[in-house]
Amino acid sequence: GESVGLHLPTLSVQEGDNSIINCAYSNSASDYFIWYKQESGKGPQFIIDIRSNMDKRQGQRVTVLLNKTVKHLSLQIAATQPGDSAVYFCAESGAQGAQKLVFGQGTRLTINP
Amino acid sequence: DGGITQSPKYLFRKEGQNVTLSCEQNLNHDAMYWYRQDPGQGLRLIYYSQIVNDFQKGDIAEGYSVSREKKESFPLTVTSAQKNPTAFYLCAIVKDRGFYGYTFGSGTRLTVV
Repeated sequence: GESVGLHLPTLSVQEGDNSIINCAYSNSASDYFIWYKQESGKGPQFIIDIRSNMDKRQGQRVTVLLNKTVKHLSLQIAATQPGDSAVYFCAESGAQGAQKLVFGQGTRLTINP
Repeated sequence: DGGITQSPKYLFRKEGQNVTLSCEQNLNHDAMYWYRQDPGQGLRLIYYSQIVNDFQKGDIAEGYSVSREKKESFPLTVTSAQKNPTAFYLCAIVKDRGFYGYTFGSGTRLTVV
């Protein structure tokens, strides 16, 4: 899951298995959450988002789950492929009214053949 | 590029020098952001602008300056006052109305030599 510090959390999974990446967010007033994927040397790419009035949203091979009670967000990737290897960030909308996102530390996902 | 262009991709700065990173967008959107990313860490907000001729400091604005003279351009200057400027710099825009998350540029990697 997400954590503060210099060492990026890592997750290793076998190709074809499902991956679950977790994120604990900080602000109970946040009403919008996003998952991004970042490959080495590139900018983050949008994967999926969810608003606080939902607890689950599905995309192509990805599902985001939101548990507002414990301020927890997760990203599930089905049938993981080598191209899924990347760093994954969760982000929450800021509480100040401006359109600002606050990002977690990220989790590095490695796919084993 | 999704409507947002950062340049250069790599930039080298000598000690005591100011350097300017470019961010241009052709989507006619108002909000633009600069983030800094250090190895193994998440994204930290430097500055953001929601309208021409106006901008606000983010969490780590010291040692940086910006301008927003045109809607399509939001350049970031890394000044000599920034003591540890080596990092990956990302520009972002809010691509869709109603705030559906950022679209990021491809980034500029700045190295002090």
